[in-house]
Amino acid sequence: GAGVSQSPSNKVTEKGKDVELRCDPISGHTALYWYRQSLGQGLEFLIYFQGNSAPDKSGLPSDRFSAERTGGSVSTLTIQRTQQEDSAVYLCASSYRGTDYGYTFGSGTRLTVV
Amino acid sequence: KNEVEQSPQNLTAQEGEFITINCSYSVGISALHWLQQHPGGGIVSLFMLSSGKKKHGRLIATINIQEKHSSLHITASHPRDSAVYICAVRSHSGGGADGLTFGKGTHLIIQP
Repeated sequence: GAGVSQSPSNKVTEKGKDVELRCDPISGHTALYWYRQSLGQGLEFLIYFQGNSAPDKSGLPSDRFSAERTGGSVSTLTIQRTQQEDSAVYLCASSYRGTDYGYTFGSGTRLTVV
Repeated sequence: KNEVEQSPQNLTAQEGEFITINCSYSVGISALHWLQQHPGGGIVSLFMLSSGKKKHGRLIATINIQEKHSSLHITASHPRDSAVYICAVRSHSGGGADGLTFGKGTHLIIQP
Protein backbone atom coordinates (compact mmCIF):
# COMPACT_ATOMS: atom_id res chain seq x y z
CA GLY A 1 0.00 0.00 0.00
CA ALA A 2 0.90 3.65 -0.20
CA GLY A 3 1.32 4.04 3.56
CA VAL A 4 1.32 2.16 6.81
CA SER A 5 -2.21 1.07 7.61
CA GLN A 6 -3.41 0.30 11.12
CA SER A 7 -6.71 -1.12 12.29
CA PRO A 8 -8.88 -0.53 14.11
CA SER A 9 -8.37 3.22 14.47
CA ASN A 10 -10.21 3.14 17.79
CA LYS A 11 -10.90 0.28 20.18
CA VAL A 12 -12.80 0.34 23.45
CA THR A 13 -12.59 -2.85 25.46
CA GLU A 14 -13.49 -4.05 28.90
CA LYS A 15 -10.81 -4.74 31.45
CA GLY A 16 -9.70 -8.36 31.27
CA LYS A 17 -10.55 -8.87 27.61
CA ASP A 18 -7.95 -9.64 24.92
CA VAL A 19 -7.40 -7.28 21.98
CA GLU A 20 -5.63 -7.58 18.65
CA LEU A 21 -4.20 -4.60 16.81
CA ARG A 22 -3.17 -4.88 13.19
CA CYS A 23 -0.46 -3.17 11.18
CA ASP A 24 -0.04 -3.42 7.43
CA PRO A 25 3.36 -1.92 6.52
CA ILE A 26 4.49 -0.36 3.27
CA SER A 27 5.14 -3.06 0.71
CA GLY A 28 8.83 -3.96 0.58
CA HIS A 29 9.66 -2.54 3.99
CA THR A 30 11.54 -5.20 5.90
CA ALA A 31 11.59 -3.44 9.27
CA LEU A 32 8.45 -3.01 11.37
CA TYR A 33 8.14 -1.35 14.76
CA TRP A 34 5.43 -1.08 17.39
CA TYR A 35 5.37 1.88 19.75
CA ARG A 36 3.00 3.02 22.47
CA GLN A 37 2.11 6.59 23.37
CA SER A 38 0.35 7.06 26.67
CA LEU A 39 -1.39 10.30 27.60
CA GLY A 40 1.21 12.95 28.38
CA GLN A 41 4.09 10.57 27.74
CA GLY A 42 6.57 10.20 24.95
CA LEU A 43 6.67 7.35 22.50
CA GLU A 44 7.70 4.05 24.03
CA PHE A 45 9.35 1.31 21.98
CA LEU A 46 7.62 -2.07 22.22
CA ILE A 47 8.92 -4.50 19.61
CA TYR A 48 10.91 -4.55 16.38
CA PHE A 49 10.83 -7.00 13.46
CA GLN A 50 13.55 -7.09 10.81
CA GLY A 51 13.07 -9.47 7.93
CA ASN A 52 13.18 -13.09 9.01
CA SER A 53 15.28 -12.43 12.11
CA ALA A 54 13.95 -13.11 15.59
CA PRO A 55 12.06 -10.04 16.80
CA ASP A 56 13.50 -7.72 19.42
CA LYS A 57 10.92 -7.87 22.19
CA SER A 58 12.91 -5.89 24.73
CA GLY A 59 10.32 -3.12 24.97
CA LEU A 60 7.27 -5.24 25.73
CA PRO A 61 6.05 -4.16 29.19
CA SER A 62 4.74 -7.54 30.35
CA ASP A 63 4.06 -11.08 29.20
CA ARG A 64 0.48 -10.03 28.44
CA PHE A 65 1.88 -8.37 25.32
CA SER A 66 2.92 -10.33 22.26
CA ALA A 67 3.33 -9.65 18.57
CA GLU A 68 3.84 -11.61 15.44
CA ARG A 69 4.57 -10.82 11.85
CA THR A 70 3.35 -13.26 9.26
CA GLY A 71 5.14 -13.66 5.96
CA GLY A 72 7.33 -10.65 6.64
CA SER A 73 4.39 -8.33 6.08
CA VAL A 74 1.33 -7.81 8.29
CA SER A 75 1.89 -7.67 12.02
CA THR A 76 -0.52 -8.22 14.89
CA LEU A 77 0.02 -6.90 18.41
CA THR A 78 -1.99 -8.85 20.99
CA ILE A 79 -2.69 -7.68 24.51
CA GLN A 80 -4.16 -10.31 26.79
CA ARG A 81 -6.22 -9.60 29.91
CA THR A 82 -6.17 -5.88 29.24
CA GLN A 83 -5.69 -3.46 32.12
CA GLN A 84 -6.63 0.20 32.35
CA GLU A 85 -2.96 1.19 32.21
CA ASP A 86 -2.83 -0.36 28.73
CA SER A 87 -4.95 2.53 27.45
CA ALA A 88 -2.80 4.39 24.93
CA VAL A 89 -2.28 5.02 21.25
CA TYR A 90 -0.44 2.12 19.67
CA LEU A 91 1.63 3.18 16.69
CA CYS A 92 3.21 1.04 14.02
CA ALA A 93 6.04 2.17 11.75
CA SER A 94 7.89 0.53 8.90
CA SER A 95 11.19 1.17 7.23
CA TYR A 96 12.96 -0.07 4.12
CA ARG A 97 15.70 -1.62 6.23
CA GLY A 98 16.00 0.14 9.55
CA THR A 99 15.82 3.49 11.23
CA ASP A 100 19.03 4.68 9.60
CA TYR A 101 16.95 4.82 6.42
CA GLY A 102 14.05 6.81 7.84
CA TYR A 103 10.64 5.39 8.42
CA THR A 104 6.89 5.93 8.06
CA PHE A 105 4.30 5.81 10.81
CA GLY A 106 0.74 4.58 10.68
CA SER A 107 -2.01 6.73 12.15
CA GLY A 108 -2.27 4.53 15.23
CA THR A 109 -4.90 2.62 17.16
CA ARG A 110 -6.38 4.42 20.16
CA LEU A 111 -7.07 1.76 22.77
CA THR A 112 -9.30 2.54 25.73
CA VAL A 113 -9.72 -0.04 28.47
CA VAL A 114 -12.78 0.59 30.64
CA LYS B 1 16.34 10.06 33.53
CA ASN B 2 15.29 10.17 29.90
CA GLU B 3 18.23 9.82 27.57
CA VAL B 4 16.66 12.40 25.25
CA GLU B 5 15.73 15.81 26.60
CA GLN B 6 13.83 18.42 24.63
CA SER B 7 13.34 22.09 25.33
CA PRO B 8 11.14 23.93 25.60
CA GLN B 9 8.28 21.58 26.50
CA ASN B 10 5.74 24.15 25.35
CA LEU B 11 6.18 27.11 23.03
CA THR B 12 3.65 29.68 21.87
CA ALA B 13 4.73 32.19 19.25
CA GLN B 14 3.26 34.63 16.78
CA GLU B 15 2.99 33.92 13.09
CA GLY B 16 6.19 34.83 11.30
CA GLU B 17 8.53 34.28 14.24
CA PHE B 18 11.70 32.20 13.97
CA ILE B 19 11.31 29.06 16.06
CA THR B 20 14.02 26.94 17.66
CA ILE B 21 13.44 23.62 19.39
CA ASN B 22 16.35 21.91 21.11
CA CYS B 23 17.22 18.29 21.72
CA SER B 24 20.04 16.98 23.91
CA TYR B 25 20.97 13.36 24.36
CA SER B 26 23.35 11.52 26.61
CA VAL B 27 24.41 8.45 24.63
CA GLY B 28 26.38 7.80 21.50
CA ILE B 29 24.07 7.70 18.52
CA SER B 30 24.10 6.62 14.91
CA ALA B 31 21.13 8.73 13.83
CA LEU B 32 18.77 11.39 15.14
CA HIS B 33 15.24 11.92 13.90
CA TRP B 34 12.88 14.85 14.09
CA LEU B 35 9.21 13.93 13.91
CA GLN B 36 6.07 16.03 13.70
CA GLN B 37 2.81 14.94 15.31
CA HIS B 38 -0.34 16.86 14.50
CA PRO B 39 -3.50 16.87 16.64
CA GLY B 40 -5.25 13.60 15.89
CA GLY B 41 -2.01 11.65 16.21
CA GLY B 42 -0.52 11.33 12.74
CA ILE B 43 3.28 11.30 12.87
CA VAL B 44 5.47 12.44 10.03
CA SER B 45 9.20 11.95 9.83
CA LEU B 46 10.76 15.35 9.07
CA PHE B 47 14.49 14.71 9.16
CA MET B 48 17.02 12.02 9.82
CA LEU B 49 20.48 13.30 10.71
CA SER B 50 23.82 11.79 11.51
CA SER B 51 25.90 14.94 11.02
CA GLY B 52 25.74 18.53 9.86
CA LYS B 53 22.61 20.22 8.69
CA LYS B 54 19.55 19.52 6.57
CA LYS B 55 16.97 21.90 5.13
CA HIS B 56 13.52 21.25 3.75
CA GLY B 57 11.42 24.26 2.89
CA ARG B 58 11.12 26.42 6.00
CA LEU B 59 12.50 23.69 8.26
CA ILE B 60 16.17 23.38 9.16
CA ALA B 61 17.71 20.70 11.36
CA THR B 62 21.24 20.76 12.71
CA ILE B 63 23.23 18.35 14.81
CA ASN B 64 26.47 18.68 16.78
CA ILE B 65 27.71 15.17 17.49
CA GLN B 66 30.48 16.31 19.87
CA GLU B 67 28.05 18.32 21.99
CA LYS B 68 25.29 15.70 21.69
CA HIS B 69 22.81 18.35 20.65
CA SER B 70 20.41 18.98 17.80
CA SER B 71 18.14 21.87 16.93
CA LEU B 72 15.08 22.16 14.75
CA HIS B 73 14.41 25.61 13.33
CA ILE B 74 11.27 26.89 11.63
CA THR B 75 11.56 30.11 9.65
CA ALA B 76 8.54 32.36 8.94
CA SER B 77 6.36 30.23 11.20
CA HIS B 78 2.72 29.69 10.30
CA PRO B 79 -0.29 28.45 12.28
CA ARG B 80 -0.19 25.20 10.30
CA ASP B 81 3.19 24.51 11.92
CA SER B 82 1.35 24.04 15.22
CA ALA B 83 2.11 20.48 16.30
CA VAL B 84 4.19 18.42 18.68
CA TYR B 85 7.79 18.07 17.53
CA ILE B 86 9.57 14.97 18.72
CA CYS B 87 13.27 14.24 18.77
CA ALA B 88 14.37 10.60 18.68
CA VAL B 89 17.78 8.98 18.68
CA ARG B 90 19.02 5.62 17.59
CA SER B 91 21.61 4.31 19.99
CA HIS B 92 22.92 0.90 20.93
CA SER B 93 22.04 1.25 24.60
CA GLY B 94 18.30 1.56 24.39
CA GLY B 95 15.20 1.36 22.29
CA GLY B 96 15.86 -2.16 21.13
CA ALA B 97 18.31 -3.35 18.50
CA ASP B 98 17.07 -0.84 15.98
CA GLY B 99 14.38 1.02 17.81
CA LEU B 100 14.55 4.63 18.85
CA THR B 101 14.54 6.47 22.15
CA PHE B 102 12.18 9.41 22.08
CA GLY B 103 12.03 12.76 23.75
CA LYS B 104 8.72 13.79 25.28
CA GLY B 105 8.12 16.33 22.56
CA THR B 106 7.76 20.10 22.25
CA HIS B 107 4.21 21.36 21.91
CA LEU B 108 4.33 24.32 19.50
CA ILE B 109 1.45 26.72 18.95
CA ILE B 110 1.72 29.43 16.32
CA GLN B 111 -0.89 32.13 16.76
CA PRO B 112 -2.11 34.15 13.76
